[in-house]
Amino acid sequence: DIVMTQSPDSLAVSLGERATISCKSSQSLLYTSNNNNYLAWYQRKPGHPPKLLIYWSSTRVSGVPDRFSGSGSGTDFTLTISSLQPEDVAVYYCHQYYTTPHSFGQGTKLEIK
Amino acid sequence: EVLLVESGGGLVQPGGSLKLSCAASGFTFSVSAVHWVRQASGKGLEWVGRIRTRTNNYATAYAASVKGRFTVSRDDSKNTAYLQMNSLKTEDSAVYYCARLQYGFDSWGQGTLVTVSS
Repeated sequence: DIVMTQSPDSLAVSLGERATISCKSSQSLLYTSNNNNYLAWYQRKPGHPPKLLIYWSSTRVSGVPDRFSGSGSGTDFTLTISSLQPEDVAVYYCHQYYTTPHSFGQGTKLEIK
Repeated sequence: EVLLVESGGGLVQPGGSLKLSCAASGFTFSVSAVHWVRQASGKGLEWVGRIRTRTNNYATAYAASVKGRFTVSRDDSKNTAYLQMNSLKTEDSAVYYCARLQYGFDSWGQGTLVTVSS
């Protein structure tokens, strides 16, 4: 089974500053036949289901602000919020959909400093 | 608008059974795999299981923690997926979500709460 490990577990960033969350997988998520990394990022706010932000490691969902970006390949991935806004306070999860059983990172709680 | 609505949650004793439903609308349900994900209070997201489409022989897969106890099924004529949960344990208490897999889980229901307690 693929284990997903996020870091840090929690993060406090000042408004307007950059937030960076790391996600590492125990196996490569790169499917060489299509050159896609089967890695997604979600934002979770209290009382709401997770919201898909990024898929294929770096493709932003339509309507997601461009301050959110994803990068990485293989086993190392990063979610970056370029300029933190108050509405970005949430828990963020990475998710591998390369194979079953699917798996999520443990989550990173993002707060305002 | 894509909509997923879970139902069937509630309080059940350890060892009991419960069947959750996931009613879909706003998209072609029959060509979409459906997954179940849960989140226990204070914990992270845990993938539970999935069912593929008719084209993929309705193939199912499960997390090790529920394999042999939970069964995912679907009725494409009703645009509904199901999660049959047997031999429930206290650690199965969680909010259960159904989700559509496109490129990642692009649509989620609001969730239904399952509490396993005596």
